[in-house]
Amino acid sequence: DVKVTQSSRYLVKRTGEKVFLECVQDMDHENMFWYRQDPGLGLRLIYFSYDVKMKEKGDIPEGYSVSREKKERFSLILESASTNQTSMYLCASRKIDRPGDEQYFGPGTRLTVT
Amino acid sequence: GDSVTQMEGPVTLSEEAFLTINCTYTATGYPSLFWYVQYPGEGLQLLLKATKADDKGSNKGFEATYRKETTSFHLEKGSVQVSDSAVYFCALSERQAGTALIFGKGTTLSVSS
Repeated sequence: DVKVTQSSRYLVKRTGEKVFLECVQDMDHENMFWYRQDPGLGLRLIYFSYDVKMKEKGDIPEGYSVSREKKERFSLILESASTNQTSMYLCASRKIDRPGDEQYFGPGTRLTVT
Repeated sequence: GDSVTQMEGPVTLSEEAFLTINCTYTATGYPSLFWYVQYPGEGLQLLLKATKADDKGSNKGFEATYRKETTSFHLEKGSVQVSDSAVYFCALSERQAGTALIFGKGTTLSVSS
């Protein structure tokens, strides 16, 4: 089974701190994604990566950056955390070599910025 | 651009009731369609999928049929259980490399005994 793990389930940070959210997948998937989930807004794509060192902006990249130095690991970075970045963050990976390839999700990190 | 629209929630049902959650999509090509489920405190997991028109995806008593003519992928279950209480997301994927799934906003289902 594909496994996507995220470094923390819950995280509390202060405004202005630099925050790192880590995601690791164990199935050699090319594509990895970061979403944030907020009530009433569903899942919104922040960034995705389709290969090592490659990245693409999603719908809401402002205030975030990403790093993918190894195929299995995709990091989301909040350069200077703000209270409006309090949210649930979900990482996903996908093989993408066949129609219908699904995305596999991690358990999520609930980040609170105070 | 591509988009997914699902019915607003919350949906509140009694155990053994029939469930329908509507989902319609807009896409330029011939997407694959998915239903994901999120149980409280967890990430999303795939419930079922369909990759071409008239395909029916099914899992755990849930079904959805890919209707190209109505651009719909409605989720149904004949008899819901309390354990089905969760948030359900409809999603689509275009058939090209390097694209993310596009999700609807989610529908919360609450089933009482």
